[in-house]
Amino acid sequence: ELKVEQNPLFLSMQEGKNYTIYCNYSTTSDRLYWYRQDPGKSLESLFVLLSNGAVKQEGRLMASLDTKARLSTLHITAAVHDLSATYFCAVDDVGGTSYGKLTFGQGTILTVHP
Amino acid sequence: NAGVTQTPKFRILKIGQSMTLQCAQDMNHNYMYWYRQDPGMGLKLIYYSVGAGITDKGEVPNGYNVSRSTTEDFPLRLELAAPSQTSVYFCASNAVFTGELFFGEGSRLTVL
Repeated sequence: ELKVEQNPLFLSMQEGKNYTIYCNYSTTSDRLYWYRQDPGKSLESLFVLLSNGAVKQEGRLMASLDTKARLSTLHITAAVHDLSATYFCAVDDVGGTSYGKLTFGQGTILTVHP
Repeated sequence: NAGVTQTPKFRILKIGQSMTLQCAQDMNHNYMYWYRQDPGMGLKLIYYSVGAGITDKGEVPNGYNVSRSTTEDFPLRLELAAPSQTSVYFCASNAVFTGELFFGEGSRLTVL
C-alpha cells in the first residue's frame, strides 16, 4: 500500500521567514504533485514533478523531487500572509497507466503571521 | 471557461436515503475521478474513469456507484446513505499523461 507522509502537519511562520515542508512516500513512483487548498475551497495545482531531480519554482515557492530518497520538498522563501493555506503533496499510482490516481498526504496547514 | 462543475454544493441526507452528486467537465478530458475529503485529512479516491463506458474502483468505493455515459459527465451515486459518508466530495479530471488534476468546487454532504 502506498503511503504518503507530510511533515510538519502544522506550521506557524512569521512573515519574511523561510521554511520547508517535507513529503515522504513509500514507493518508487517518479510522479509527484503539490496542491494548495484555501479554507472551504477546492484544490489548486501548484507543481507537477515528473522525474528525479525535478525542480519547479513559482514566486516564493519552490518544489523538488528526489525519487531515490522518495522525498519531495516544498520550500517557502520570505513567507507572506497570502501563502496561508493547506498544502498537500500527492503521489501517482505506481505502475499504473492512469495518471491521476493519486494518494494524498495528510496536508500541512500553514499559517503566516506578522 | 467553466472547467469542472459539481452540483449540489451542499446537501443534508437522512440515514438510508440515496442521492446523486453530479459532475461535468468541459475540457474534453478523458480521465475523471471522485475523491472524498474527511475533516483534517487528505483526499481518498472513490472511483475513477478513463473514458466513456469505463470505470474502476479506487481506495474507498464501498457504498458508492458511478457511471460514465459521456466524456463530459461522471455522476456519483450514494445508496443507503450512512453517517460515515459525511464528507466533502471532489470531482476532478485530467488530460492523459499529465497527472495534474483539475478539481471542482466540492460538494459538502452531511448524513444525519
